[in-house]
Amino acid sequence: DGGITQSPKYLFRKEGQNVTLSCEQNLNHDAMYWYRQDPGQGLRLIYYSQIVNDFQKGDIAEGYSVSREKKESFPLTVTSAQKNPTAFYLCASSRKDSYNQPQHFGDGTRLSIL
Amino acid sequence: AQTVTQSQPEMSVQEAETVTLSCTYDTSESDYYLFWYKQPPSRQMILVIRQEAYKQQNATENRFSVNFQKAAKSFSLKISDSQLGDAAMYFCAYRITRSNDYKLSFGAGTTVTVRA
Repeated sequence: DGGITQSPKYLFRKEGQNVTLSCEQNLNHDAMYWYRQDPGQGLRLIYYSQIVNDFQKGDIAEGYSVSREKKESFPLTVTSAQKNPTAFYLCASSRKDSYNQPQHFGDGTRLSIL
Repeated sequence: AQTVTQSQPEMSVQEAETVTLSCTYDTSESDYYLFWYKQPPSRQMILVIRQEAYKQQNATENRFSVNFQKAAKSFSLKISDSQLGDAAMYFCAYRITRSNDYKLSFGAGTTVTVRA
């Protein structure tokens, strides 16, 4: 079955440490997205990529970095510059041939501070 | 930037009854898509229903239907014959249809509780 795989499911970060969240999709989607979910704030867009080797900042990109070296993969690095990283992170992907295509989501990664 | 507002943080409904979730959005665009997603306790995001702004007919998917009022910029979701499995957080989302841009803007969500 095609889908989006996020790993790990739970992640703990120490002060001053960078951590990387993995997102892999086998849906052959061109576009991929990273969202942050905090209680009461819905989903906020961190970064998105609509083609390999290109990505754009979303609404809350500060303290995060991404790469898109392969169509299937869109890892998110939470850097030490992100002072409040505790949240639930969701990765999504979508086709680009029609605006009616929904985004498909992974199961998420919960990041906590040690 | 587009803004999506869900004014009801929580809603409660009796099993088999109907509940309506509100969503309003702010845009100057004439063509766009609107979506409702469901996030159950498992945290998986599931597409419930979608609507194109140019279509006057309200979308329906089984027990889920929308009331799309373009002039009022309103996109409410009606859940009929509510079931225990409908308990979840529901998010309204908006997508502009230009500039080769496929990202979504989400509202803050409404938590739906279903009483047995």
